[in-house]
Amino acid sequence: KNQVEQSPQSLIILEGKNCTLQCNYTVSPFSNLRWYKQDTGRGPVSLTIMTFSENTKSNGRYTATLDADTKQSSLHITASQLSDSASYICVVTATSKLTFGTGTRLQVTL
Amino acid sequence: GAVVSQHPSWVICKSGTSVKIECRSLDFQATTMFWYRQFPKQSLMLMATSNEGSKATYEQGVEKDKFLINHASLTLSTLTVTSAHPEDSSFYICSASPAHEQFFGPGTRLTVL
Repeated sequence: KNQVEQSPQSLIILEGKNCTLQCNYTVSPFSNLRWYKQDTGRGPVSLTIMTFSENTKSNGRYTATLDADTKQSSLHITASQLSDSASYICVVTATSKLTFGTGTRLQVTL
Repeated sequence: GAVVSQHPSWVICKSGTSVKIECRSLDFQATTMFWYRQFPKQSLMLMATSNEGSKATYEQGVEKDKFLINHASLTLSTLTVTSAHPEDSSFYICSASPAHEQFFGPGTRLTVL
């Protein structure tokens, strides 16, 4: 069964600090892995998308990594801002089917 | 980037009534759109795949007669929740894919009293 697990479930950090979110997946056949940011009451917004051959991809203060051998991905947020408070969802695509992780709820505080 | 809109953004209705939610791709054509449901603190769950000009494909456990999907044009898909009940209260999100990436709408919050 295709599954995507994320950790931690929730995280609170101080503004300006860095953090790393984890995603482990058992999805086959692997097509791509995406990280989305979802603000409360809004739809998900794409941060990064990586295919099998890509190890890292950056989007501003967001940097995603992918290890296709261990089936792990991480999302690193640098110099966090209050506006980074949201849920971050890891989504793995197998052919045309998306498998969603349950997300990590990040809260950035003063 | 590709923009997907939804209307309404929120709706409150009485139990037993029907509610229609629209999903539009504003700057691209989408032969396929997707409808998701999201309960509080849970991830998105795919309900159905909407295909322009043909019948929608529903996920296991989703009642096709309760959640009517119409994909009348390449830029518009609608989801109608028929005879809504309080347990249908949820956040409904659509998405469309112009290429290899899915773009999500802002969601519609449905509350059934």
